[in-house]
Amino acid sequence: DAKTTQPNSMESNEEEPVHLPCNHSTISGTDYIHWYRQLPSQGPEYVIHGLTSNVNNRMASLAIAEDRKSSTLILHRATLRDAAVYYCILSGERNMLTFGGGTRLMVKP
Amino acid sequence: DSGVTQTPKHLITATGQRVTLRCSPRSGDLSVYWYQQSLDQGLQFLIQYYNGEERAKGNILERFSAQQFPDLHSELNLSSLELGDSALYFCASSVAGQPTGELFFGEGSRLTVL
Repeated sequence: DAKTTQPNSMESNEEEPVHLPCNHSTISGTDYIHWYRQLPSQGPEYVIHGLTSNVNNRMASLAIAEDRKSSTLILHRATLRDAAVYYCILSGERNMLTFGGGTRLMVKP
Repeated sequence: DSGVTQTPKHLITATGQRVTLRCSPRSGDLSVYWYQQSLDQGLQFLIQYYNGEERAKGNILERFSAQQFPDLHSELNLSSLELGDSALYFCASSVAGQPTGELFFGEGSRLTVL
């Protein structure tokens, strides 16, 4: 299964946009790009997913590179409640979601 | 609240023992997934069931087994427990058999093996 690479941690200021990058250079044509986040002491929470086109929902936006080898999760205005570990995941040929290390996002007031 | 219910929330047991973790998926969801999260391994996919049938298998040990019942709830059985099995066990559910959409995770069952 194709793997993803994310920075271990990122810092942001409250009420500013946050761009969380993810590299997936070995992505296959049928892999969906999923983003989940995990707040402290909670189970992972779905954020957004996409295949080829950019996607928007109430939580975030997902920008997918034209060659699909990278993507960026965009939080438009970070709040303290957005502090979490963000996982970028590919669905894989067996359609399993395999979580990597993720990016720990810290939001400063 | 994701709609996925896991019991028990906390469990403390001894090495060599056997425990059963239970998961009730969201109403209408046919797929159940089990994940293990330990400090040094991160979130590891264990197994998936879809409408009662095993659909995908990940890094599940032979000492572990799972099943999904006709009412769609699922149980994860862990036997001959070792210290290293101490972890958070998450259950997730989805409507479809393939995770191309959203997975809904429960709050987890924290297992401590002493």
